Amino acid sequence: GDSVTQMEGPVTLSEEAFLTINCTYTATGYPSLFWYVQYPGEGLQLLLKATKADDKGSNKGFEATYRKETTSFHLEKGSVQVSDSAVYFCALRGGNNRLAFGKGNQVVVIP
Amino acid sequence: DGGITQSPKYLFRKEGQNVTLSCEQNLNHDAMYWYRQDPGQGLRLIYYSQIVNDFQKGDIAEGYSVSREKKESFPLTVTSAQKNPTAFYLCASSMSLGGLNTGELFFGEGSRLTVL
Repeated sequence: GDSVTQMEGPVTLSEEAFLTINCTYTATGYPSLFWYVQYPGEGLQLLLKATKADDKGSNKGFEATYRKETTSFHLEKGSVQVSDSAVYFCALRGGNNRLAFGKGNQVVVIP
Repeated sequence: DGGITQSPKYLFRKEGQNVTLSCEQNLNHDAMYWYRQDPGQGLRLIYYSQIVNDFQKGDIAEGYSVSREKKESFPLTVTSAQKNPTAFYLCASSMSLGGLNTGELFFGEGSRLTVL
């Protein structure tokens, strides 16, 4: 079935550092891809999305490009802030229209 | 303001008791969902509903039940048959199944259930 794999473990980095969170997927057909963010004590919010190959989603300084050849949708931000500390989830919507989520990555930004 | 309201935010339950978590939305969305979140396991789909009076099992429906009598409401009952109910429960909604129009699910702030 459709699935999403995120890199293992939390990510800890200093303010203004470059952030990358890896995400790869397995799906039949042409899924839509998403990044959701969960701030402490809250539900998830959509951060960005891409619906077809080579699309780039972007929001709040974050970017991710839909790479069909490598089945990836890595999240990047050039200069993180303390306020970016959160859990980030990669997700896909496959042929059954249900969303499959990755396990999430905790990001901690230190001042 | 439009959104999804979950209650209660924190709930404690003794073993063997059923408990119902409330989820209400005023976004006029057709589809609603319940997810369970456990540390290191991401989100797992419990039940979802595309329309009033209709719902389907997700990946981990055993020990849970739902109803969808009104478009705005999708309560989740955690029954005594659920072997490991302590978790964070998230309700979500979308305009249509899977958020077809915009790709976006809107989430509530969650309910944390602890079984003592």
